[in-house]
Amino acid sequence: SAVISQKPSRDICQRGTSLTIQCQVDSQVTMMFWYRQQPGQSLTLIATANQGSEATYESGFVIDKFPISRPNLTFSTLTVSNLSPEDSSIYLCSGRTGNGYTFGSGTRLTVV
Amino acid sequence: AQRVTQPEKLLSVFKGAPVELKCNYSYSGSPELFWYVQYSRQRLQLLLRHISRESIKGFTADLNKGETSFHLKKPFAQEEDSAMYYCALNVKTSGSRLTFGEGTQLTVNP
Repeated sequence: SAVISQKPSRDICQRGTSLTIQCQVDSQVTMMFWYRQQPGQSLTLIATANQGSEATYESGFVIDKFPISRPNLTFSTLTVSNLSPEDSSIYLCSGRTGNGYTFGSGTRLTVV
Repeated sequence: AQRVTQPEKLLSVFKGAPVELKCNYSYSGSPELFWYVQYSRQRLQLLLRHISRESIKGFTADLNKGETSFHLKKPFAQEEDSAMYYCALNVKTSGSRLTFGEGTQLTVNP
């Protein structure tokens, strides 16, 4: 099945700055997704990254805060903008594959 | 809206004992259900998909539409089964988005 390389694995950022997370898939996947996992909690879907069109955001998440790019079927980025301590979390990308969904290894973001 | 419930946040069993991790979902149509596992310091991995009906690492799960459940079972737990387990639901009309349960942390004691 597909393998997703996600980077960076972790970062510490100053409040007010932005962090861009990249996910590279080793094969083409039609659908990619971005999740947030806050400490001790489950995964919450941020948005579906659509190739060639704007991402589809879930309730409570907006494009200005979480801009997403999906230039082709193997790559996507998520930017977390205007960082605040509340954005400290793990961010994961995922791709829909033939038998399920495969996940990146996650990015642990700490905002100071 | 679809929802997945895993009633136990923590589950502790002894090695060799049977284990059952509960998962209930709310959706009136035909769901696609998964179990994912996350071992310490590793990424989420697919454990089971209800359509495949196979056994992975000794785990099985049966979809019970009447009870809207997809419980994960293993007859003899091993220490290496200690991990976080997530039940997840895909409703195809929702654009293939996965909805996750809150997760169950399984600890298998020696």
